Amino acid sequence: QQQVKQSPQSLIVQKGGISIINCAYENTAFDYFPWYQQFPGKGPALLIAIRPDVSEKKEGRFTISFNKSAKQFSLHIMDSQPGDSATYFCAAPNTGGFKTIFGAGTRLFVKA
Amino acid sequence: NAGVTQTPKFQVLKTGQSMTLQCAQDMNHEYMSWYRQDPGMGLRLIHYSVGAGITDQGEVPNGYNVSRSTTEDFPLRLLSAAPSQTSVYFCASSYGGGAGNTEAFFGQGTRLTVV
Repeated sequence: QQQVKQSPQSLIVQKGGISIINCAYENTAFDYFPWYQQFPGKGPALLIAIRPDVSEKKEGRFTISFNKSAKQFSLHIMDSQPGDSATYFCAAPNTGGFKTIFGAGTRLFVKA
Repeated sequence: NAGVTQTPKFQVLKTGQSMTLQCAQDMNHEYMSWYRQDPGMGLRLIHYSVGAGITDQGEVPNGYNVSRSTTEDFPLRLLSAAPSQTSVYFCASSYGGGAGNTEAFFGQGTRLTVV
């Protein structure tokens, strides 16, 4: 019962370009939309998150855009750098709130 | 402040053996969870706990047991290891709810190989 669909599975971007990763959810009761970043050999770490009372949140080069009507939220990485090469996950809770479902992940590679 | 500590970092088991993956957090978080990460599958929830003495199943609980006797510790037990349990296991804790409700802090992971 996939509740969070993430795309693309992998992404290659030139240095300085824009990386865009999308996530679609099913449960309209979700009220927290995070993105986690994972480097090889490490655990995931929260990168940025948004609550649905705003449509966009920006932290440095990272922006979350939230489209409530389409039930989608996306991560934009501006001026992508080789150091951004990592796997990115979106996440959302299930109906009960405690069984967090992660997207399948997007492997980003930024070419120097 | 160590955050979430997992041990061991690497483990090789023979089919049928049992073992316990350890997880400890020092942030006084009520919510703890275990995930397994497999290529192309993302992070799948195995078991979770909303406080000491309270545990529940996630998406893929079969073959695993958990207990939560203290707020700090949340061990994961493999009852009879199978090759299908070869994976990277992550423990996570958060102040309230799961990683989909509030920031979750993850351990460094345990890479388990079952031969």
